[in-house]
Amino acid sequence: DARVTQTPRHKVTEMGQEVTMRCQPILGHNTVFWYRQTMMQGLELLAYFRNRAPLDDSGMPKDRFSAEMPDATLATLKIQPSEPRDSAVYFCASGRPGGPGEQYFGPGTRLTVT
Amino acid sequence: AQSVTQLGSHVSVSEGALVLLRCNYSSSVPPYLFWYVQYPNQGLQLLLKYTSAATLVKGINGFEAEFKKSETSFHLTKPSAHMSDAAEYFCAVSVGGRDDKIIFGKGTRLHILP
Repeated sequence: DARVTQTPRHKVTEMGQEVTMRCQPILGHNTVFWYRQTMMQGLELLAYFRNRAPLDDSGMPKDRFSAEMPDATLATLKIQPSEPRDSAVYFCASGRPGGPGEQYFGPGTRLTVT
Repeated sequence: AQSVTQLGSHVSVSEGALVLLRCNYSSSVPPYLFWYVQYPNQGLQLLLKYTSAATLVKGINGFEAEFKKSETSFHLTKPSAHMSDAAEYFCAVSVGGRDDKIIFGKGTRLHILP
């Protein structure tokens, strides 16, 4: 049963610290998406990759957030420095080549910045 | 630009009653449409998708949705609600073309009354 995995599942950190979230997409999927979910804003797209190349990161605060795909099995989302307003659940999703937009979501990383 | 509107942020139905969650879309190209479900503390899971084949789409857990182009709607229904259906439901539309992104609605939380 292929699934998207995310680590850590929970992260509590202090303001100003660096946070790194990791995602392993489903093997064979060529698109990866990072989303942030909050009660106030709902689900927001932060960044999206196809074949490891970043195609859209317009939803991401550029000064503190960065997203990369070092290889096809790993995507990372970093926040440096973190702020309390970054507290949210961060989801990674992956999609198949040629698929009509269907995305498979991981369980999320719940981030709390104090 | 593509968008979806979900009518009602909260919907309550009695166990055994009909579930109807409303979604209207806007798309400049023939759309692909999706319904996702999110259970507490989990990621989003695909319920069903419309990709221009049959207008009545059957999904998992007894859900189905009908694509109505004339009404630009893609409402989700289930004949008989079960307590386990309590969750948040998201309608989504593909951006289209070579863009892999999908645009999510704000979600409808479904409450099941005993």
